[in-house]
Amino acid sequence: AQSVTQLDSQVPVFEEAPVELRCNYSSSVSVYLFWYVQYPNQGLQLLLKYLSGSTLVESINGFEAEFNKSQTSFHLRKPSVHISDTAEYFCAVNFNFGNEKLTFGTGTRLTIIP
Amino acid sequence: GAGVSQSPRYKVAKRGQDVALRCDPISGHVSLFWYQQALGQGPEFLTYFQNEAQLDKSGLPSDRFFAERPEGSVSTLKIQRTQQEDSAVYLCASSSSGIRAKNIQYFGAGTRLSVL
Repeated sequence: AQSVTQLDSQVPVFEEAPVELRCNYSSSVSVYLFWYVQYPNQGLQLLLKYLSGSTLVESINGFEAEFNKSQTSFHLRKPSVHISDTAEYFCAVNFNFGNEKLTFGTGTRLTIIP
Repeated sequence: GAGVSQSPRYKVAKRGQDVALRCDPISGHVSLFWYQQALGQGPEFLTYFQNEAQLDKSGLPSDRFFAERPEGSVSTLKIQRTQQEDSAVYLCASSSSGIRAKNIQYFGAGTRLSVL
């Protein structure tokens, strides 16, 4: 079955420290990959996406994610986090290019410790 | 409006009541999606439309759930005879084109449904 796994439900990190949020998926065919962020009491916002081309994708606020086909992973990283990064992060995958629906992981709550 | 608008933001229903949740997508967006997010879980796909056509309803959990988008714009998700397990946040998203899946889905803030 096609699935998306985010093993870490909560990640506490000190301010200005690096962080990695892990995402793995199960599929043997090509996929589209997304990271969404949800701030408290707000809707989901797209953080970054991988469709094709360079396996390293970056967002405007310092996050990056790397697509690794052999490991079926799309981990999210930031070299130095800020208090404002406190949020829930969801990895999402489109497994079928003919159907736009997304399959989401269970989310990782990132808490920044001052 | 500038974004996806959902109403009401909060809904409390007694078990057995029917509810209707509304979604106003971004103007001109072709595709519209409904997801259900239970507490502590990621969003789960319910159904999606391209214009007024419902292309996939495989995620609807039972025949008590029904969605429509009669004029290809506003959509309504209806839940009949609500049960406690229906309590969740219902998210609506829209995207600009029905061509493949590379388009960004823009999400509304959701409707939090509590069934007592």
